[in-house]
Amino acid sequence: EAGVVQSPRYKIIEKKQPVAFWCNPISGHNTLYWYLQNLGQGPELLIRYENEEAVDDSQLPKDRFSAERLKGVDSTLKIQPAELGDSAVYLCASSLGGGRGETQYFGPGTRLLVL
Amino acid sequence: SQQGEEDPQALSIQEGENATMNCSYKTSINNLQWYRQNSGRGLVHLILIRSNEREKHSGRLRVTLDTSKKSSSLLITASRAADTASYFCATASTGGGNKLTFGTGTQLKVEL
Repeated sequence: EAGVVQSPRYKIIEKKQPVAFWCNPISGHNTLYWYLQNLGQGPELLIRYENEEAVDDSQLPKDRFSAERLKGVDSTLKIQPAELGDSAVYLCASSLGGGRGETQYFGPGTRLLVL
Repeated sequence: SQQGEEDPQALSIQEGENATMNCSYKTSINNLQWYRQNSGRGLVHLILIRSNEREKHSGRLRVTLDTSKKSSSLLITASRAADTASYFCATASTGGGNKLTFGTGTQLKVEL
């Protein structure tokens, strides 16, 4: 069974440019998560989807970040415009859904460098 | 925001030795999980312990949970060079649904 797929793996952009990350969760997983991980830190949740619905986006900086999961399967996270401080690893994870504190399965992440 | 703090931040041991990492958290929980992250990779789930459990084993891993002290420990016995990674605890808070809050991590280095 394929794991969580993310693309691209690496992205280098200039500040003020837009950038988008894509995630395809494990087949059958209803819950999808986007995390931000700074160097030397643990992942911090940006947004959590249950099917198509964003049920927790309290940590998403909505002035520049947006996300969508239109058909309840794959998802896109966008930053526009990017700032130097957005340089980090963006992780996507998925879980079966419907539970509390389920095991999450992570993709390899997208490493973003903003110059 | 990070819920948990791990201790130590970094740990270096020789192959064959045991490694112990500790995690403290702040709120009441449904469960606590440990994840491993190899350099440049995503996180991999290791073990889950529920709030009504005190100890759990999986292969060379032993996890304990003390809800009265809001703390957990992860013991890796007979460590191998391949165990070199960062280890994170993650808590599922009561009433938090499927949300996990991760700690700051312990960097483990196992030397030959």
